[in-house]
Amino acid sequence: GENVEQHPSTLSVQEGDSAVIKCTYSDSASNYFPWYKQELGKRPQLIIDIRSNVGEKKDQRIAVTLNKTAKHFSLHITETQPEDSAVYFCAKNSGGSNYKLTFGKGTLLTVNP
Amino acid sequence: NAGVTQTPKFRVLKTGQSMTLLCAQDMNHEYMYWYRQDPGMGLRLIHYSVGEGTTAKGEVPDGYNVSRLKKQNFLLGLESAAPSQTSVYFCASSTVNYGYTFGSGTRLTVV
Repeated sequence: GENVEQHPSTLSVQEGDSAVIKCTYSDSASNYFPWYKQELGKRPQLIIDIRSNVGEKKDQRIAVTLNKTAKHFSLHITETQPEDSAVYFCAKNSGGSNYKLTFGKGTLLTVNP
Repeated sequence: NAGVTQTPKFRVLKTGQSMTLLCAQDMNHEYMYWYRQDPGMGLRLIHYSVGEGTTAKGEVPDGYNVSRLKKQNFLLGLESAAPSQTSVYFCASSTVNYGYTFGSGTRLTVV
């Protein structure tokens, strides 16, 4: 129940295209789903999160959707720019509490100019 | 606010040596965590703490010990370093309702 499966592991898009990264989980008690962006050599930084009482959340070009029935959540980046190139990690909490996150293995997103 | 500060940033150890990594946060967060990051493996939880004086094991605790004597500090110890512990170590902290704030990481090489 702890694992998070993240796909794809690598994603290459042209500037201006959209990018979608999907994560699946099995623990029905999870209720907090954050996404982190990690640039090369830097620390992971929270970019958006969603809680189980909503199905979608947007912040400018970034959106996250959650399907609790199917146990999957996705990150959507529209109008991609070269500075979006990074590794993106999904995560979820465990046992309904808001600490102790389990992370996916990451997606390397490359945005080609 | 400095956020989450990790020291040292880089370290090379010989097999069998010991060391302590220090994590300090100035945000009055209750929860603190140590993760290791290896290529293709994502971030794996080593140990965590839900408050001063408490610690618990994560996914990969073997070979590590931790202490949280003060709320703002979380120490990670390696008693006898092994090459398998070569990794980038990240400390993080959080409150009960928000996501993590990460430190800048410690790159450790064990030779």
